[in-house]
Amino acid sequence: QVQLVESGGGVVQPGGSLRLSCAASGFTFSSYGMHWVRQAPGKGLEWVAFIRYDGSNKYYADSVKGRFTISRDNSKNTLYLQMNSLRAEDTAVYYCAKEYCGGDCYPYYFDYWGQGTLVTVSS
Amino acid sequence: QSALTQPPSASGSPGQSVTISCTGTSSDVGGYNYVSWYQQHPGKAPKLMIYEVSKRPSGVPDRFSGSKSGNTASLTVSGLQAEDEADYYCSSYAGSNNFDVVFGGGTKLTVL
Repeated sequence: QVQLVESGGGVVQPGGSLRLSCAASGFTFSSYGMHWVRQAPGKGLEWVAFIRYDGSNKYYADSVKGRFTISRDNSKNTLYLQMNSLRAEDTAVYYCAKEYCGGDCYPYYFDYWGQGTLVTVSS
Repeated sequence: QSALTQPPSASGSPGQSVTISCTGTSSDVGGYNYVSWYQQHPGKAPKLMIYEVSKRPSGVPDRFSGSKSGNTASLTVSGLQAEDEADYYCSSYAGSNNFDVVFGGGTKLTVL
């Protein structure tokens, strides 16, 4: 079965950096685009970044552009999110999510999600 | 502030139907048929319930249905069951110049 397990969250000071990882199993990781989506405490969902199956294209929300970098290592079945210049408003649970493929693949939908990792930006 | 507007709460009794709205603009909901809905139980990851406005992934009960008119999408849950109590989020592609996905603020569905 599909499993996505995030790690790397924690407490970091404003201006600091953190790298999140998402270990994937149960599917052919190298065939699917992957996303990061975040959820601030008690708030709604916010799309953060998307990377195509082969890493050829990467896209970011305006709120993180220039500060966050999404990447993947298909040999390790792992997705990453490098977060720099962190701000208090980046505090959230960060989920990795797989793009939905039901015949065709749709990068705008997320069919499997991890359980999330909490990032807290505070002094 | 979320890009898409949802009512903060909705409710219904077991067996009844409830509809949740999701209002956007011509740049997202109204411009594309790439609307989806997610169900999230407390402390759990979201689950895809509807994609492409009205399609259900395998395993999602047909009690869940979606539609769209203009800039507003809707999720209808028929034959409400206790386990349907959850938060529901709508989402839409919004990338006219670049890839972008936006979400609604979420609706808490209570089964009375």
